[in-house]
Amino acid sequence: GENVEQHPSTLSVQEGDSAVIKCTYSDSASNYFPWYKQELGKRPQLIIDIRSNVGEKKDQRIAVTLNKTAKHFSLHITETQPEDSAVYFCAAAGWYSGGGADGLTFGKGTHLIIQP
Amino acid sequence: NAGVTQTPKFQVLKTGQSMTLQCAQDMNHNSMYWYRQDPGMGLRLIYYSASEGTTDKGEVPNGYNVSRLNKREFSLRLESAAPSQTSVYFCASSEASQPTYEQYFGPGTRLTVT
Repeated sequence: GENVEQHPSTLSVQEGDSAVIKCTYSDSASNYFPWYKQELGKRPQLIIDIRSNVGEKKDQRIAVTLNKTAKHFSLHITETQPEDSAVYFCAAAGWYSGGGADGLTFGKGTHLIIQP
Repeated sequence: NAGVTQTPKFQVLKTGQSMTLQCAQDMNHNSMYWYRQDPGMGLRLIYYSASEGTTDKGEVPNGYNVSRLNKREFSLRLESAAPSQTSVYFCASSEASQPTYEQYFGPGTRLTVT
């Protein structure tokens, strides 16, 4: 099955600086890579996603890059703000013919701390 | 439009007791999922249902059973609870036939087994 590794487990940055979280995956059949943000005691919420036919996607201060050859993808947050403090999860999923949607395999999460 | 709802929000069980966690979605999604979240472990897939009438095991299915009652509802049953099943359980749904594939999560059920 799929295996997703996520680094670092904790990331502390100064407000206004950039933050980068990296993930690797093992299954070359995976073709969908979402990033979720989870605040304490809340449900995970999708912040950005990317498909295997795209190398980069950007949404305001958030961007994701994908390197299919190396099987890794990264989340970039620029101009960090206090409300960016949360746990971020990367995930990978495949879309297998005849099987419909498959479940997500998550990384173990990165606790992002924005220092004022 | 409530999205994905889960009941109960909190539950304490004794070892060996059974219970069913309920999940419902009102987005007409085809696919539904059950995950558990443990500290430092991220979320792990227990079971999923790609469409009404089908269910499949995920990464950690042992000790659990599921029922896709209809398109809206997907329940998770613990037949004989164990302390190792203490966790936060999230249900999710997605419109598998759509390109977006986004999974929407419910608010979670915090389960403690003593």
